[in-house]
Amino acid sequence: SQTIHQWPATLVQPVGSPLSLECTVEGTSNPNLYWYRQAAGRGLQLLFYSVGIGQISSEVPQNLSASRPQDRQFILSSKKLLLSDSGFYLCAWSVTTITEAFFGQGTRLTVV
Amino acid sequence: AQKVTQAQTEISVVEKEDVTLDCVYETRDTTYYLFWYKQPPSGELVFLIRRNSFDEQNEISGRYSWNFQKSTSSFNFTITASQVVDSAVYFCALSEASTSGTYKYIFGTGTRLKVLA
Repeated sequence: SQTIHQWPATLVQPVGSPLSLECTVEGTSNPNLYWYRQAAGRGLQLLFYSVGIGQISSEVPQNLSASRPQDRQFILSSKKLLLSDSGFYLCAWSVTTITEAFFGQGTRLTVV
Repeated sequence: AQKVTQAQTEISVVEKEDVTLDCVYETRDTTYYLFWYKQPPSGELVFLIRRNSFDEQNEISGRYSWNFQKSTSSFNFTITASQVVDSAVYFCALSEASTSGTYKYIFGTGTRLKVLA
């Protein structure tokens, strides 16, 4: 069966520090991968999605970047965190973009 | 423009009551897909249902039912005989083709459901 792993679960980082969140999927090949951010009490904002290795689409210009170095690995990064980067980050995968997405357990990031 | 609207920010019901969560979507595509997800306090989103635009049949799964009406662009979710364990944030989502031709998911802002014992 397919599983998605996302870590760390919580993270407290100072302003200006770098960020690296990792997500891996097991049990499937060539998944579509997504990074979402959920601000407190708000909906999900799509940050990046990838339909294949090295293919990254950015939905919202911001302080973050994403990479897909391997088929089932999706990384969210920042060189210098801002206070506004705080939030709940969710990684997800789907077989195609018209089938349901399955989500990781999320990373709660607090920038202080 | 808002693609997926969940006008109900928060709903509180007493256990065993029925509750309907509204979802209104906007799209120009004739082919699109609608989803409902549940986000319990743990934070992980749980997939509930997927519906394509050509299938307007309502669906029932246990205490859950979904009413899809293209005429009103709505995809509402009803929980019958609610239970405390149903307390969560529920998201409606739309998958439509982006300008690059690939589909992407667009989520509503969610409805927080509180079921009181």
